[in-house]
Amino acid sequence: NAGVTQTPKFRILKIGQSMTLQCAQDMNHNYMYWYRQDPGMGLKLIYYSVGAGITDKGEVPNGYNVSRSTTEDFPLRLELAAPSQTSVYFCASSYVVGTEAFFGQGTRLTVV
Amino acid sequence: DAKTTQPPSMDCAEGRAANLPCNHSTISGNEYVYWYRQIHSQGPQYIIHGLKNNETNEMASLIITEDRKSSTLILPHATLRDTAVYYCIVRPLALNAGNMLTFGGGTRLMVKP
Repeated sequence: NAGVTQTPKFRILKIGQSMTLQCAQDMNHNYMYWYRQDPGMGLKLIYYSVGAGITDKGEVPNGYNVSRSTTEDFPLRLELAAPSQTSVYFCASSYVVGTEAFFGQGTRLTVV
Repeated sequence: DAKTTQPPSMDCAEGRAANLPCNHSTISGNEYVYWYRQIHSQGPQYIIHGLKNNETNEMASLIITEDRKSSTLILPHATLRDTAVYYCIVRPLALNAGNMLTFGGGTRLMVKP
């Protein structure tokens, strides 16, 4: 199993550009999450999904959108990128009732 | 999730036991204590979890006090590869919209030769 796969690994955006961060999991997990991690800080939850077609906001959703059309995929969309969105983005997945969440390796995004 | 408090940083000598404390004084009866770690900006990695009994696996041991208001993660023989940020998280076993997986600041453990 590949686990949780994120693409791209690195990206530089100009202010005002848009992009989609991809996340895919092959473990048939119900729950998927997007986090951001600013330098030297902990992870903050952006959006989460409890299943296909169902998404909800986390702690810091402004400036982002998500969709969950399939169990496997949970893309994160940035519209009108701003320097404040420079961060490392982590996608994760888990069962509803379970022992652990699995994380991807992250996407390092710089907005200049 | 109930609030957790962890020291921001700790040092440990290589080969010694690393004992990482976590306070969770407002923990509810159905909430578990989970530990994750994050090595050098990689994605966080699950370590162990428990409800009230002490737990041990191949990575670590988890000691939860009888009143469940605090816990300690023990790495019995720390190696340089254990240098990471360790997160203590309190949450129910079953997630729902009101109890997502949220992370605090964690403890930065530095294992020194």
